[in-house]
Amino acid sequence: QVTLRESGPALVQRTQTLTLTCTFSGFSLSTNGMCVSWIRQPPGKALEWLARIDWDGETYYRTSLKASLTISRGTSTNQVVLTVTSVEPVDTGTYYCARMCGYGEDSGRFWGPGTLVTVSS
Amino acid sequence: SYELTQPPSVSVSPGQTATITCSADALSNQYTYWFQQKPGQAPVLVISKDYERPSGVPERFSGSSSGATATLTISGVRAEDEADYYCQTADRSGRFQIRFGGGTSLTVL
Repeated sequence: QVTLRESGPALVQRTQTLTLTCTFSGFSLSTNGMCVSWIRQPPGKALEWLARIDWDGETYYRTSLKASLTISRGTSTNQVVLTVTSVEPVDTGTYYCARMCGYGEDSGRFWGPGTLVTVSS
Repeated sequence: SYELTQPPSVSVSPGQTATITCSADALSNQYTYWFQQKPGQAPVLVISKDYERPSGVPERFSGSSSGATATLTISGVRAEDEADYYCQTADRSGRFQIRFGGGTSLTVL
């Protein structure tokens, strides 16, 4: 059974760094072809893909946010971490992690429930 | 680089057919995925690789793609289908990007 769950602070001060952790089970990120993505959704707005990390450590970022995002493996083999530096109120939203390469079998089939992050000014 | 364009809203009566489109210049080169999202919930994959229906998704959901437009069709719409729907593709033309459409709010009258 595949599960993912996001964790992190609910409230972050403007200009600080936001660190979110995705803890997953039921699959290994070391398996050939596996990917984990972070997606966010500002209140009342559309989904926005942020970053992806692959089984071989390759990483990809949303072009417009590349300078402020870092995706990496966590301290445990079943964790992926997203950091967002210098956050602003526009970074407020629900952050999701998903098993998503963006193409291929089962991409997007499994999502975490999301975690709401508010950036205060 | 390209954007995915969806109609902001679609309204249908129960039992009728809802059609939601997703268009982009380069759509024909990539598979389209469709997600359903109800308020306060994570998105759920309803169509994979243009037309494949994941297990557990009702047969009334179908997908197709032709040229620059992908289409999600919901036949015999039920009240429970009222949700936001998002299309998604992967842009591998330059730096890899995953793109989502702006979303379509489906209202069941």
